[in-house]
Amino acid sequence: GAVVSQHPSRVICKSGTSVKIECRSLDFQATTMFWYRQFPKQSLMLMATSNEGSKATYEQGVEKDKFLINHASLTLSTLTVTSAHPEDSSFYICSARPNSGGLNYTDTQYFGPGTRLTVL
Amino acid sequence: GNSVTQMEGPVTLSEEAFLTINCTYTATGYPSLFWYVQYPGEGLQLLLKATKADDKGSNKGFEATYRKETTSFHLEKGSVQVSDSAVYFCALSEAGGSYIPTFGRGTSLIVHP
Repeated sequence: GAVVSQHPSRVICKSGTSVKIECRSLDFQATTMFWYRQFPKQSLMLMATSNEGSKATYEQGVEKDKFLINHASLTLSTLTVTSAHPEDSSFYICSARPNSGGLNYTDTQYFGPGTRLTVL
Repeated sequence: GNSVTQMEGPVTLSEEAFLTINCTYTATGYPSLFWYVQYPGEGLQLLLKATKADDKGSNKGFEATYRKETTSFHLEKGSVQVSDSAVYFCALSEAGGSYIPTFGRGTSLIVHP
């Protein structure tokens, strides 16, 4: 149980285009999901907290107009990188925190496999 | 604020060697502690966790004990395999932080045959 998927796993796009990444919790509901960015050989940097039915909370220094987050259901959050540029190239990882009562693991997050974005 | 400190890597071992990856933390409350593993090109997988002092988390031969007195959660394995080569992240989360985890920088493990 507690599987999180991401799609696509890898995407290459031209500079100036927008890219949407999906994060799905497959066997549990998650009111809260998180989006991270990881640079080579570095730790994860939290970008934003995504809450179903409300606006995402962005970490300091993350442009909310550039990284659009939509959490439309209890099993799906999307991250759209708008007007992508080469410096946006990175590994993007999402995680989902199961709602309490079901799995009762509110302190644990489950991670997706990541999306490798390359902007040419 | 909360923080997690891991030993610098890479850690290079021969197959069947004993593994220790040190992790210490600072937290304002009573956190849960985690080890995650990341294989090349993949996301993070939860390896083990412990939710209170003296708890031992274990999985796939790995184990870590929540030591409140030393604020540590060192990862150990008695006999590593080549397939254990990955990056290991120590992390904590607590209610006061809305359960948003704080990660260490990660420690790369390389196991040679």
